[in-house]
Amino acid sequence: EVQLVESGGGLVQPGGSLRLSCAASGFTFSSYAMHWVRQAPGKGLEYVSAISSNGGSTYYANSVKGRFTISRDNSKNTLYLQMGSLRAEDMAVYYCARRWELLGYAIDIWGQGTMVTVSS
Amino acid sequence: DIQMTQSPSSLSASVGDRVTITCRASQSISSYLNWYQQKPGKAPKLLIYAASSLQSGVPSRFSGSGSGTDFTLTISSLQPEDFATYYCQQSYSTPRAFGPGTKVDIK
Repeated sequence: EVQLVESGGGLVQPGGSLRLSCAASGFTFSSYAMHWVRQAPGKGLEYVSAISSNGGSTYYANSVKGRFTISRDNSKNTLYLQMGSLRAEDMAVYYCARRWELLGYAIDIWGQGTMVTVSS
Repeated sequence: DIQMTQSPSSLSASVGDRVTITCRASQSISSYLNWYQQKPGKAPKLLIYAASSLQSGVPSRFSGSGSGTDFTLTISSLQPEDFATYYCQQSYSTPRAFGPGTKVDIK
């Protein structure tokens, strides 16, 4: 079964750090670009970060640039999001997602999401 | 960056109704437009990719159309399980922005 499972969310104080992980299974992880998409409580979807299949190219939304780092370990089939200098506005459910070229670069697989709460 | 808008932001409909949601891009995105359905507490689900291609396993009552800047998602006969929020997303260029969403609820 094709699956993405996020972990690492939790409660963190403003200014703190957190690392999210996303374990992939059921497909050749190293063949796919991957994304992080977040959703603040009661809000819409926000495209946060992306990484190419070999990790050589990355993208960050302006809202997280300089504070977040996306990376991947293809030997471990795992995607990461290192988050620093966290702010109240970073509080959201963070989804790991797979992008597929053959589907017009649509996101065809999503994880269940992990909640990040930023509060003192 | 390409901006995405959707209309309406919400709508009320009855089971069996035909429902149409519109998505507009701030510049041409060819056919690189995708539609997702999200239910409360769940991850989004891909319905339509490349503007009009039905994702595997998605019921045929869902259809998409459009190209360039204007796109439409149509549900031909609304079913109880279709009450959800629908998002469009452009996959033409980075950042691959989402629209603000359209919430479909029960009339």
